[in-house]
Amino acid sequence: DAMVIQNPRYQVTQFGKPVTLSCSQTLNHNVMYWYQQKSSQAPKLLFHYYDKDFNNEADTPDNFQSRRPNTSFCFLDIRSPGLGDAAMYLCATSRKVTGTDTQYFGPGTRLTVL
Amino acid sequence: EDQVTQSPEALRLQEGESSSLNCSYTVSGLRGLFWYRQDPGKGPEFLFTLYSAGEEKEKERLKATLTKKESFLHITAPKPEDSATYLCAVQASGSGGSNYKLTFGKGTLLTVNP
Repeated sequence: DAMVIQNPRYQVTQFGKPVTLSCSQTLNHNVMYWYQQKSSQAPKLLFHYYDKDFNNEADTPDNFQSRRPNTSFCFLDIRSPGLGDAAMYLCATSRKVTGTDTQYFGPGTRLTVL
Repeated sequence: EDQVTQSPEALRLQEGESSSLNCSYTVSGLRGLFWYRQDPGKGPEFLFTLYSAGEEKEKERLKATLTKKESFLHITAPKPEDSATYLCAVQASGSGGSNYKLTFGKGTLLTVNP
């Protein structure tokens, strides 16, 4: 089945230690998104890639960066995690950016910062 | 600024007891309204997209409706397996070519007791 896969499902890191979260998709979608979701809160968009074009949300901290080496994979890098970065990180994909298009989510990675 | 408010925050039902969840929204121009289901520790699962006032969509025990100001998710004769958080999100008609952004509500936590 076509899907969005995230690895690892659970990640524990130490305060200030860089961490990378991975997302892959078999849907062959053009767009890949990263969201941050804290407990009992709405998912918050961090950034997205349309093909190789990177689009950062205005309020996304510089501590968060992303890479998309090919259509299938996208990475979220947190350069110096703080305690406030502990959250569920969700990857999503869609076929296109313009127009109405459904975003499909992966299972998420739960990040714990010690 | 686009806003989405979901109510109630939590809803507890007995199996078979029908009810409705509300999603009120404020957007400059609605391109689409999305309903997702999210199980604990997992990513959102797509349920429905609604595009215009008066539109309705059904899936098993769920029925989504849309007006110009709000959407309802009606749950008929729910079962314990319907227990989850239900998220509502809107996609607005933005300027320029990029109308990608989903603005989510915080969700309604539904618990169905056997």
